[in-house]
Amino acid sequence: RKEVEQDPGPFNVPEGATVAFNCTYSNSASQSFFWYRQDCRKEPKLLMSVYSSGNEDGRFTAQLNRASQYISLLIRDSKLSDSATYLCVVHREGYSTLTFGKGTMLLVSP
Amino acid sequence: ETGVTQSPTHLIKTRGQQVTLRCSSQSGHNTVSWYQQALGQGPQFIFQYYREEENGRGNFPPRFSGLQFPNYSSELNVNALELDDSALYLCASSLGSATDTQYFGPGTRLTVL
Repeated sequence: RKEVEQDPGPFNVPEGATVAFNCTYSNSASQSFFWYRQDCRKEPKLLMSVYSSGNEDGRFTAQLNRASQYISLLIRDSKLSDSATYLCVVHREGYSTLTFGKGTMLLVSP
Repeated sequence: ETGVTQSPTHLIKTRGQQVTLRCSSQSGHNTVSWYQQALGQGPQFIFQYYREEENGRGNFPPRFSGLQFPNYSSELNVNALELDDSALYLCASSLGSATDTQYFGPGTRLTVL
């Protein structure tokens, strides 16, 4: 089983739609959680950290359920510019590596 | 921009050749991590250098090696290139070896023919 698993994509949605991405992680020692965004042929960029209490940044809401080892990202009112691959990332305290999921591609159409 | 730079941006090599990729970390950062991202996959951790020493390694063979210099810039060397080494190679710099805050460079796209 992969350490971080995400919904297979791509997700094709119209502008204005709400879309949710799901992610599960297998290592209960994971301490920090993130969503990264990666545009085609570019480097990953941090979108937002994910906290147990849930957190929101504009149209983006992230949730973490430690008991279920589950992370989610909700995007409301999708824009064309949201088209990208969204990567779920976990980090174990004291370790040097970030562990990435495979990513889920989002395509927002007019 | 993160202030992390990588060179070259693109590279084409043939099987069996050797390649060196370079990364300059963000000012003040003492740690560089290298990742390989194959097409359609997430980045996979290769290794990390902290204060010029290797500090953690992923599941990559010994033909993947690296260096970190006193100015904290870093090199990734790959010997005996294989077709499956074709990927985007990302470096990320950070302050400290076990931090979750890593800043990625734009990557080097390596194609092995």
